[in-house]
Amino acid sequence: QKEVEQDPGPLSVPEGAIVSLNCTYSNSAFQYFMWYRQYSRKGPELLMYTYSSGNKEDGRFTAQVDKSSKYISLFIRDSQPSDSATYLCAMSATGANNLFFGTGTRLTVIP
Amino acid sequence: GAGVSQSPSNKVTEKGKDVELRCDPISGHTALYWYRQSLGQGLEFLIYFQGNSAPDKSGLPSDRFSAERTGGSVSTLTIQRTQQEDSAVYLCASSLRPLGQPQETQYFGPGTRLLVL
Repeated sequence: QKEVEQDPGPLSVPEGAIVSLNCTYSNSAFQYFMWYRQYSRKGPELLMYTYSSGNKEDGRFTAQVDKSSKYISLFIRDSQPSDSATYLCAMSATGANNLFFGTGTRLTVIP
Repeated sequence: GAGVSQSPSNKVTEKGKDVELRCDPISGHTALYWYRQSLGQGLEFLIYFQGNSAPDKSGLPSDRFSAERTGGSVSTLTIQRTQQEDSAVYLCASSLRPLGQPQETQYFGPGTRLLVL
């Protein structure tokens, strides 16, 4: 079993839709949770960062962490064609040397 | 430059040849990481450098893989006797401080796309 599981999609939605992306994990030591966005032929870029449980909102993006269920989510409101990319969840534990990534979900927002 | 840079952008090589991939981290970042991204596999951790400490090599898949970081800045990932299964995107990242601390995360370069024929 992988430490981080993420549905690879692909996911296609019409412009303006609400998008929900999710990851589950097995390591209860994970404390730091991130979402990265990766455009084609580019490196991942940090989108959202959350520490421990709770919600965080930044513009059209909301990240949620439920540590009791070992489940994290990213919501995108009013999705735009420019949101079309692969979204990767990542997480780490205190003192960890690296991030553990999901496989990424490929999102296409259709104009 | 403000970001992490990597070279070459693309590399095509023949099976059995050695390749070197270069990473220039963000200036002042003490930690440097190499990952491998294969199709449908997500990012796989390879190696981690922190300051002058011994690197964490726990993710290197075989002894054909090695990496150096000179002067606490530039890093080179070397793959000897390349195999077709080494074909992937090799990503470098850096962070100001070690991970596992509040608000600390990694900044990635654009990657080197390696194709072994």
